[in-house]
Amino acid sequence: DTAVSQTPKYLVTQMGNDKSIKCEQNLGHDTMYWYKQDSKKFLKIMFSYNNKELIINETVPNRFSPKSPDKAHLNLHINSLELGDSAVYFCASSQALSGYTFGSGTRLTVV
Amino acid sequence: AQSVTQLDSQVPVFEEAPVELRCNYSSSVSVYLFWYVQYPNQGLQLLLKYLSGSTLVKGINGFEAEFNKSQTSFHLRKPSVHISDTAEYFCAVSEAEDYGQNFVFGPGTRLSVLP
Repeated sequence: DTAVSQTPKYLVTQMGNDKSIKCEQNLGHDTMYWYKQDSKKFLKIMFSYNNKELIINETVPNRFSPKSPDKAHLNLHINSLELGDSAVYFCASSQALSGYTFGSGTRLTVV
Repeated sequence: AQSVTQLDSQVPVFEEAPVELRCNYSSSVSVYLFWYVQYPNQGLQLLLKYLSGSTLVKGINGFEAEFNKSQTSFHLRKPSVHISDTAEYFCAVSEAEDYGQNFVFGPGTRLSVLP
């Protein structure tokens, strides 16, 4: 069983479109995250959810919105996609002292 | 707020040679420290972590790291690398009061193992 799974693995879409990336964890962790990894491999946190409450919201455009129907899921919705949104997006989860468990990533390409 | 520096963006090394990947952090409070590895086109995988106790931490795949509080460092070492160790390595820090959550990642070090 995959601990943190995200779909789709690849996503190619046109500028201006709206898309969603889904993430699910079966570890029972309390906190889930979305990270953006740019072309230089730099990891930047976008959001985290703890028990369905947003506890970090870094300075990302409001076109990005996280949605968590329950503590096992944290989806990322992106409106009006731009070329600069092209990146690899990672979902992760954590429990106290466990460190992060990452999903395998979603490579988003905006054309 | 904490920060992480990985001074070497790229480290080339020959197979079976030893390697050290450097990590320094800055924080005004106690921290937990982690190393992650990212193989090409994959997610990040935990190599090892320091929470407390012995400052020498052993991880998977023969890697180890030593926490040095006075030098605010957490360098990663392996005595003999393999071609399969070629990957991106990330150091991460979490403030102890966050119980190992809310990481700050370093910029990564690309380890290239040459035949």
